[in-house]
Amino acid sequence: AQSVTQLDSQVPVFEEAPVELRCNYSSSVSVYLFWYVQYPNQGLQLLLKYLSGSTLVKGINGFEAEFNKSQTSFHLRKPSVHISDTAEYFCAVSATGRRALTFGSGTRLQVQP
Amino acid sequence: ETGVTQSPTHLIKTRGQQVTLRCSSQSGHNTVSWYQQALGQGPQFIFQYYREEENGRGNFPPRFSGLQFPNYSSELNVNALELDDSALYLCASSSMTDTQYFGPGTRLTVL
Repeated sequence: AQSVTQLDSQVPVFEEAPVELRCNYSSSVSVYLFWYVQYPNQGLQLLLKYLSGSTLVKGINGFEAEFNKSQTSFHLRKPSVHISDTAEYFCAVSATGRRALTFGSGTRLQVQP
Repeated sequence: ETGVTQSPTHLIKTRGQQVTLRCSSQSGHNTVSWYQQALGQGPQFIFQYYREEENGRGNFPPRFSGLQFPNYSSELNVNALELDDSALYLCASSSMTDTQYFGPGTRLTVL
């Protein structure tokens, strides 16, 4: 079984500042890792994914994440945030993508002007 | 390319009633997964269907059931609704690329 811990429930940040949203996971098998974003009253949109290969993954909207196997982490970063990045961000893992995704509890990113 | 669609958008039911939620998968996808997202929480896996067969189930009681049709669309049925069933129900479809793509969800309110 897998589990995901998102270490911050809320992250306030000023516009154009850098941000890091932290995600740690636990699993007895190799995992695939994902970050999804959820805007108010909407479904989940895939930001980026790590399946294999390079540990630095680039996604949409200028986001990137780094897979660290030794620290079992997959932190999400953006060098300069915009007001429009205000949303809920979910880290998720799966043993394979077609099986169940296990989600963290989410991090609310609040970008202030 | 058409994305994942779900219907209805919102639904209000009373305790003890039954509900059916529908999902149309993205073109080319043969796997559908259902998730329940309670307010302020991350989504929880309910079950997954692959080529019309259940292919994994989370920790949900049997009153949560599903179907997948030959065109890979899917239904989620919930019997004997309870107040705690109030949530956003998300459908996700995937193919051999192992990435799940989500629909906009159905907001179910049980009174």
